[in-house]
Formats: sequence, C-alpha cells, structure tokens
Amino acid sequence: EVQLVESGGGLVKPGGSLRLSCAASGFTFSSYSMNWVRQAPGKGLEWVSSISSSSSYIYYADSVKGRFTISRDNAKNSLYLQMNSLRAEDTAVYYCARDWGAARLIDPWGQGTLVTVSS
Amino acid sequence: SYVLTQPPSVSVAPGQTARITCGGNNIGSKSVHWYQQKPGQAPVLVVYDDSDRPSGIPERFSGSNSGNTATLTISRVEAGDEADYYCQVWDSSRGVFGGGTKLTVL
Repeated sequence: EVQLVESGGGLVKPGGSLRLSCAASGFTFSSYSMNWVRQAPGKGLEWVSSISSSSSYIYYADSVKGRFTISRDNAKNSLYLQMNSLRAEDTAVYYCARDWGAARLIDPWGQGTLVTVSS
Repeated sequence: SYVLTQPPSVSVAPGQTARITCGGNNIGSKSVHWYQQKPGQAPVLVVYDDSDRPSGIPERFSGSNSGNTATLTISRVEAGDEADYYCQVWDSSRGVFGGGTKLTVL
C-alpha cells in the first residue's frame, strides 16, 4: 500500500523555523516527483513546492520562494520542507503528495501536519 | 500567473446531476485533475487528465475540458458526495489549484 506520513508540524513564533518530514512507503520513492501542498484553516489548497525524482528540478510558489527549501533523501525514502522566516500566513496543514504520469496527477496525499505560526 | 476559477458552491438534490466548472485561459490545452476533500480528510483524486477515473472511483464521476472551461460532472448524486472539490493544472512546472467548490446535497 502506498503511504505518505508527514511529521514535524507544531507551534512556532513568527520569524522562526520548522522542518517538515514525509516518510514514504509502498512504492519506489526514487522514481517519483514529490510535492508539498498546504491548506490554511477554512481555505483552499495551495501548491507550495515540488522536487523531481533526482532533485534536479525544484520549483516553489512565489509566496514561499526564498524562505522555504524542499529536499529529499532517496536512500531514506523521505521528503523534507525546511521553512524559515515563518509568517502568520504560513499557518496551514501541510500535505506531502506524490505526482506521476505525463499529466502529473497528484496522488496519493499524506494525512497532513499542522503548522501554526503565532506569538 | 495562471488562475483557475471555480464557483464557491453548488447545490443539488440526491439522484440529480451536479456540474462543477473550472475556468482558466485556454484550459482546454492543459490536463485538468479533480480532487475531492471531505471535512478533516486529505484530498482524494477523483478525475485525472480531464476525464479519466482512478480505480475505485465510481463511474458517476466524469470530466470534460474544452476551450476556457473544464467540468466535473457527478451523476446520480449521493449524500456521500457532499464535499469540497478542487480542479488543478500545472503551469510552467508549478501547480495551480482552483479556489474550490463546496458541493451540498440537499
């Protein structure tokens, strides 16, 4: 069974940092691009970042560029999101998700981890 | 940046057909994916590449895409279909989601 499990969320003060992790299992992690997608409380989905299978291609949403860094460790079947200079508007549930196929459908998604940025 | 526009809400009686639109500039030239999200749960893919269904998704879910509008159609709507639905495309290698549509089953 394909499974994605996020961890690392929590309460952090504005300007602080946090590192999210996503543990993948049930598929050949090193063959797939991965993504982070977030959802602020009561709001819609927002794509945050993606990384190709070999980390050759990395993209960010303008809202996080320069503050967030996506990375992966294929030997550990793990995806990461280093979040620096956090703002209140970064408060959200962060989902780890795989994309695949020529059309890059996003499936499956993890259960999400909540990040709260507040003083 | 590319923008996808969805109606905030759609209401339909059980057994009827629900249509949720997703507007974008020349969206017909892109592959559109649709996700269903129920309260407190992660999104689930229900239609991909405009009109294909993942295994396990009922045939009642279908999609189309042409011109400036993509449409998710849910036939014979059931109470369990009540959820938020999001369309999604890739633009210049960046993911773009619509604002989401809340489907209410009356």
